[in-house]
Amino acid sequence: AQKVTQAQTEISVVEKEDVTLDCVYETRDTTYYLFWYKQPPSGELVFLIRRNSFDEQNEISGRYSWNFQKSTSSFNFTITASQVVDSAVYFCALSKRGATNKLIFGTGTLLAVQP
Amino acid sequence: KAGVTQTPRYLIKTRGQQVTLSCSPISGHRSVSWYQQTPGQGLQFLFEYFSETQRNKGNFPGRFSGRQFSNSRSEMNVSTLELGDSALYLCASSSTGSGNTIYFGEGSWLTVV
Repeated sequence: AQKVTQAQTEISVVEKEDVTLDCVYETRDTTYYLFWYKQPPSGELVFLIRRNSFDEQNEISGRYSWNFQKSTSSFNFTITASQVVDSAVYFCALSKRGATNKLIFGTGTLLAVQP
Repeated sequence: KAGVTQTPRYLIKTRGQQVTLSCSPISGHRSVSWYQQTPGQGLQFLFEYFSETQRNKGNFPGRFSGRQFSNSRSEMNVSTLELGDSALYLCASSSTGSGNTIYFGEGSWLTVV
């Protein structure tokens, strides 16, 4: 069975601090996909990144970076120099080949960035 | 390019009634999925439709159903509403192919009283 664990329920930081959101996944599939989404209070899930299981290259996009490590089944997300606008709930999700649009979500991490 | 559009955004229903939610995917996207989000259960997959056929289904009772039209627009229906059906219902769309990016709409907030 597939499972995603986001152990951090809430994180509070002060603006300009760096923050890392942890994501650990479980799957027996060799081909799978990992996602990060941001959910502001409005409710919409905003896509941040998608990674497939064969691409362990880390990615950086502006202040955002992702560290994918198959050896530890982790897909962590770091925000550098956080800003108040980063405050939201962040979800990590997993899907598998043959059901790629069936996302298994973690419980989410509420990030509060204080000015 | 317009995003995923869901209607209505907010609605209140009485226990025992039924409700229909609508979703218009991004132009060109043929896959539409539905998710339920509640404080207790989190985000859970309901079902996915592709080319008017249900392709995947989550673990929800038969009161939850959906359909997709030839223009890829989708509707989901919940019959005999229960208080526990109060949730944010999110629709997502993606293009064909494996592991494509999945884009979500703003959701429909359903309150059952």
